[in-house]
Amino acid sequence: QSVLTQPPSSSGTPGQRVTISCSGSNSNIGTNTVNWFQQFPGTAPKLIIYNNNERPSGVPDRFSGSKSGTSASLAISGLQSEDEADYYCAVWDDSLSAVVFGGGTKVTVL
Amino acid sequence: QVHLVQSGGEVKMPGASVRVSCKASGYTFSNYGISWVRQAPGQGLEWMGWISSNNVYTNYAPKFQGRVSMYSDTSASTAYMELRSLRSDDTAVYYCARGRIGGDYWGQGTLVTVSS
Repeated sequence: QSVLTQPPSSSGTPGQRVTISCSGSNSNIGTNTVNWFQQFPGTAPKLIIYNNNERPSGVPDRFSGSKSGTSASLAISGLQSEDEADYYCAVWDDSLSAVVFGGGTKVTVL
Repeated sequence: QVHLVQSGGEVKMPGASVRVSCKASGYTFSNYGISWVRQAPGQGLEWMGWISSNNVYTNYAPKFQGRVSMYSDTSASTAYMELRSLRSDDTAVYYCARGRIGGDYWGQGTLVTVSS
C-alpha cells in the first residue's frame, strides 16, 4: 500500500478536464514539493510537473499541478487521446527519509 | 542532448547479485545526482535510492537498506546500482533518472529477471 494515495483510474472524453488527486501527510506533501510523471506502456516515465506546479520545457500547458495542505492534484485540460497513460505523483518523505510514489492513476480517453 | 543509457537485461538466480549501469552524456555528470526507480511487472513505480552529485551522499529507501549499493564513476560519467541477495520479487524493470525524485531525464530501463 502506497504512502501516497491516488485513484487507480480516471477517464474523460476528448476536450474534457480531468483531475487526479494525490493524498499524503504532513511528512511528505505537507512539507515538500510534488512531482508528477506520465508513463506509457513499455516506456520510461516522463516528468510533466515539478515543484508542485512547474512544467518542464516541452510539456503542453494543458497539464497543470497544484497543492493544498497534504494533497496535490494534476489537471489535464482539453483532454486528448495521446494523454491516455499512467500518472504518478512523487515527493520526499521526511519521516522515511525517502522518496515515495503514489500508486498511479490510469487515465483513459473515452 | 541529454541521454542516460543503461546496461542490458539480466537473468539471475535467487540469492545472486546484479549490477546495473547508467551511462550519462550531454551534460556535466558531476553536477547532478542519479536516482534509481524500479517497476515490477504490472505494478507502480518504487524509489530505491539516490546518489548525490560527486558521490558525496547516498540515500537508500528503508526497504533496500543493507541490500543495495549505489555509486558512480565520474570519469566515465556512469552510475551503478548493485542489488544483492536477489529474490523472485526483485524481478522488475530498473530505471536510472537524473535527479533525486526521479527526474527530468530517465534511462531506457533494464529488465532484471530473478528465476531458478
